[in-house]
Amino acid sequence: DTGVSQDPRHKITKRGQNVTFRCDPISEHNRLYWYRQTLGQGPEFLTYFQNEAQLEKSRLLSDRFSAERPKGSFSTLEIQRTEQGDSAMYLCASSLQGAADTQYFGPGTRLTVL
Amino acid sequence: EDQVTQSPEALRLQEGESSSLNCSYTVSGLRGLFWYRQDPGKGPEFLFTLYSAGEEKEKERLKATLTKKESFLHITAPKPEDSATYLCAVPTILTGGGNKLTFGTGTQLKVEL
Repeated sequence: DTGVSQDPRHKITKRGQNVTFRCDPISEHNRLYWYRQTLGQGPEFLTYFQNEAQLEKSRLLSDRFSAERPKGSFSTLEIQRTEQGDSAMYLCASSLQGAADTQYFGPGTRLTVL
Repeated sequence: EDQVTQSPEALRLQEGESSSLNCSYTVSGLRGLFWYRQDPGKGPEFLFTLYSAGEEKEKERLKATLTKKESFLHITAPKPEDSATYLCAVPTILTGGGNKLTFGTGTQLKVEL
């Protein structure tokens, strides 16, 4: 049973560039979540999918952020016109509806905006 | 809005020296409390879910307990490999039945030989 995978693990970009991250959830999990974590803080919720539908977005998710889960399997998170404040660890988690909704996290993508 | 506070922020123990980590919460209605372990540069690893006051769960040297206002993670005879940041979180139900986890800032545990 493979866990949640994320790609890339690290990304360094210059301010103003666009970046895209990918998350592959545990295969049978129909729910997928994105969180952001900065140093010394706990993860903060960004957005959530049930199957292919994006059902909730946090106020933290500005217009520069967009997420998709086109076939209800993998998901992508895109950040346009990156800012230094976007530097953080971006975490993906998945869960199975009906199984106590326990969220299993991936290893994260560390974004550094120069 | 749900709030989670963890203490202490950091804890240094000698190998074999038992201790407890605290997670206090303020929620409108508790629907569970989650404990995760996070190693540096990695994603959180699920440990336990507790649902009701008085519930306890154990895994190796870890035991989690829950009251109406807080949860404790007891670490018995810790080993250096238990060094990590321990996070607790409470869920808030979302559209469609999913859950947004609100996390505390974690307790960074260091176990020394």
